[in-house]
Amino acid sequence: GQQVMQIPQYQHVQEGEDFTTYCNSSTTLSNIQWYKQRPGGHPVFLIQLVKSGEVKKQKRLTFQFGEAKKNSSLHITATQTTDVGTYFCADHGSSNTGKLIFGQGTTLQVKP
Amino acid sequence: DAGVIQSPRHEVTEMGQEVTLRCKPISGHDYLFWYRQTMMRGLELLIYFNNNVPIDDSGMPEDRFSAKMPNASFSTLKIQPSEPRDSAVYFCASSYFSGYTFGSGTRLTVV
Repeated sequence: GQQVMQIPQYQHVQEGEDFTTYCNSSTTLSNIQWYKQRPGGHPVFLIQLVKSGEVKKQKRLTFQFGEAKKNSSLHITATQTTDVGTYFCADHGSSNTGKLIFGQGTTLQVKP
Repeated sequence: DAGVIQSPRHEVTEMGQEVTLRCKPISGHDYLFWYRQTMMRGLELLIYFNNNVPIDDSGMPEDRFSAKMPNASFSTLKIQPSEPRDSAVYFCASSYFSGYTFGSGTRLTVV
C-alpha cells in the first residue's frame, strides 16, 4: 500500500533558527494535508495542498507541494518555543475515499 | 461548535475487562474516523464511517475490537477483552470535505 515517509524523525533547533520537514511518497499524492500535534495534545489541521507546485504561507510557515506531486515540505522561519510539537503530513491516496494516510511525523524541539 | 468530543479522557482498566470509548463528531461532518497512536506505530487508522456506515475496518487489530455508529452524532469503539498491548491514545476525528478535526483523545492504560 501507499506509504508517506517523513524526514527527519526528530529535529532540535535553537530558537530563531529555521526548520524544515519533508514528506515523500513513491506514488503520486492526491493532495497533502499538514497537521501539528503539541506534546500531550491532539493533531490539529494546518493546511491542505492540492495543486502541483503549490506554495502556501501561514505567517512563519511555508508549505510546498512538489511539481510531480510526490513530495511536500513544511518550512518554519525563525522558530519560536511555541512551534514545539510533532508535524505530520497526510494524504488521501489514489482512492480518495476520505481516508487519510499519515506519515510518521517530525518532532521539533526548540531550545530557548 | 464544541468540536469533536471524546470520553473518557483517561481510562485505566485491568486486562480482560471490556472498554468502551465514545465519540461525538462535529454536526454536519459526514466522515468519522477512529485512530490509535503509540510511540512505536504512530497514528494508525482503525476504522472509518461515511454517513454512519462503516467503510473500511481493515485497520482493526483483531476481533476484540468493534466499532459502531448508530447515528450521525455518536460512535463507540469497544475492546473486549482488553490486553496490555492495547494501551495507547485513541483519537476520534470527523471531517467534511477537507481537513480532519480530532478530538482530545482517550488515553487507555490496560494493566
